[in-house]
Amino acid sequence: VQLVESGGSLVQPGGSLRLSCTASGLTLSRTWMSWVRQAPGKGLEWVANIGEDGSEKFYVDSVRGRFTISRDNAKNTMYLQMDSLRAEDTAFYFCARGKVTMLQWGQGTLVSVSS
Amino acid sequence: SYVLTQPPSVSVAPGQTASLTCGGHDIGSKSVHWYQQQPGQAPLLVVFDDNNRASGIPERFSGSNSGNTATLTISRVEAGDEADFYCAVWDGDTDQVVFGGGTKLTVL
Repeated sequence: VQLVESGGSLVQPGGSLRLSCTASGLTLSRTWMSWVRQAPGKGLEWVANIGEDGSEKFYVDSVRGRFTISRDNAKNTMYLQMDSLRAEDTAFYFCARGKVTMLQWGQGTLVSVSS
Repeated sequence: SYVLTQPPSVSVAPGQTASLTCGGHDIGSKSVHWYQQQPGQAPLLVVFDDNNRASGIPERFSGSNSGNTATLTISRVEAGDEADFYCAVWDGDTDQVVFGGGTKLTVL
């Protein structure tokens, strides 16, 4: 069972990026999923989570209105669309299985926002 | 917004007991989850719903939660336990997950 994030890269302030989280050996449609980020050398910060069928979505205040979490259960994949990126969004972004009890984590993908 | 407070660092000798605290207003009324993160690795769930060990976690790890403080207790500490530990709760007032700032456990 594995979660793999992809899509991280260097982007200019104000730019956009879409992260993906693909599961293998696990059916994502049966579980809540979350994004958590960690700025280099800093602590964990929850970003967003999404319910099993995608109808429920929650966000941390600092990204609400800029980031959009979604999922495609047919593709066993979750996404994080990040718009209007800021320098303070620079971090490793982890996807995790679960709403608060995050049972499994990917290894993370690095998003760097800089001009 | 809800705030979880963890001491930045805790040091303990091998074989001793480490108590890592997580403070929050009336945290005893919430379910607390603990994550361990070793350098360069993804976090790992160690305790969920206050006092339930996650799969594969040694019995040396235990949790408690009452009043304004939740505690992760690690008995017979080993060198391999050295890591950052984070507590987390669901804040129903804001519908957000809140993480504590993390505690770096150092094994002397």
